[in-house]
Amino acid sequence: DAGVIQSPRHEVTEMGQEVTLRCKPISGHDYLFWYRQTMMRGLELLIYFNNNVPIDDSGMPEDRFSAKMPNASFSTLKIQPSEPRDSAVYFCASSLDRTGYNEQFFGPGTRLTVL
Amino acid sequence: GQSLEQPSEVTAVEGAIVQINCTYQTSGFYGLSWYQQHDGGAPTFLSYNALDGLEETGRFSSFLSRSDSYGYLLLQELQMKDSASYFCADSGSARQLTFGSGTQLTVLP
Repeated sequence: DAGVIQSPRHEVTEMGQEVTLRCKPISGHDYLFWYRQTMMRGLELLIYFNNNVPIDDSGMPEDRFSAKMPNASFSTLKIQPSEPRDSAVYFCASSLDRTGYNEQFFGPGTRLTVL
Repeated sequence: GQSLEQPSEVTAVEGAIVQINCTYQTSGFYGLSWYQQHDGGAPTFLSYNALDGLEETGRFSSFLSRSDSYGYLLLQELQMKDSASYFCADSGSARQLTFGSGTQLTVLP
């Protein structure tokens, strides 16, 4: 398996533009997570899905952020409009539901810079 | 709310043993995980403790004491490639992780 795939790997955009980050989880995994990492705030959970259904989006910073998972093999995180404070590395991760065990597999991340 | 405390930095020499501690205050605790992250890379899973006691995986071991809300990661026979950030994370009821702020481990020759 190729692991979790994210695109793009790097994104540079200007304030006010729409940004869409993409993720393909590992086949067969039933959980998908979106995290954001910054020096100031560390690794933060933004939202997660179970069987394509959003379960908890309390970590989403504000209404400018939205996430979808239209099917088991694809998810998007959208920021509209983007702001400089959104600059961060965004990770997608997936996992399999196994009793007594919890291992998340992270994608390589998307490094977002908003100018 | 949930919070995890771990040291910000640890330095050790090659071949040594180092222990990274993690204390947590959470509601609905299910287990403690450890992840490694090299500069510019993604977090990678090291271990998960759902029950009290020691879990060993090669040079790495992880320990959990639920009664003390405490765990640690033990790295033995340190190698230069172990220089990285190490995160403890607690699992919620549905697999979601809340991460500590990370410990930067520097291994010196």
